[in-house]
Amino acid sequence: GENVEQHPSTLSVQEGDSAVIKCTYSDSASNYFPWYKQELGKGPQLIIDIRSNVGEKKDQRIAVTLNKTAKHFSLHITETQPEDSAVYFCAASRNKLVFGAGTILRVKS
Amino acid sequence: NAGVTQTPKFQVLKTGQSMTLQCAQDMNHNSMYWYRQDPGMGLRLIYYSASEGTTDKGEVPNGYNVSRLNKREFSLRLESAAPSQTSVYFCASTRGDGPDNEQFFGPGTRLTVL
Repeated sequence: GENVEQHPSTLSVQEGDSAVIKCTYSDSASNYFPWYKQELGKGPQLIIDIRSNVGEKKDQRIAVTLNKTAKHFSLHITETQPEDSAVYFCAASRNKLVFGAGTILRVKS
Repeated sequence: NAGVTQTPKFQVLKTGQSMTLQCAQDMNHNSMYWYRQDPGMGLRLIYYSASEGTTDKGEVPNGYNVSRLNKREFSLRLESAAPSQTSVYFCASTRGDGPDNEQFFGPGTRLTVL
């Protein structure tokens, strides 16, 4: 079955800097790659997703890139703000979503 | 719209007790899911229901049962709770018939089994 690895497990950045979280997946047939943000005490919430026919997608300060050949995808957050502090999960899916272990992002002001 | 609601928010059980976690969505979504979240392990799928009247096992189904009562409601039952089932449980739903679309999550149920 699918296996998703996520790095780093924790990430601290200064406000205004960029943050990058990387994930690799094992099943080359996976074709849907979402990213979820989870704030303390809440359920995860989708922030951006990408499908396998697209290499990059951007939404304001957030971007995701996908390299199908290498089977890895990354989340890029620019101009980080304190409200970006949360746990971020990547996931990969071919009709069954498999999540990475999560990255705790701390933005220091 | 309330989105996805879950009850209870917190629960403490003794080993061997049973309980049902309730989940409801008011978005007219077809598919619903139950996940558990443990430290350092992300979310793992327990069971899912692609549409009303169908249920299927996920990655970690042992010790659980589910019921898709109607299109709105999807419950998770622990028949004989074990300490290994201590976790935070999330219910989710998607608009389509499968998981390859935005999943909307409930606020979670924190379960402790002593």
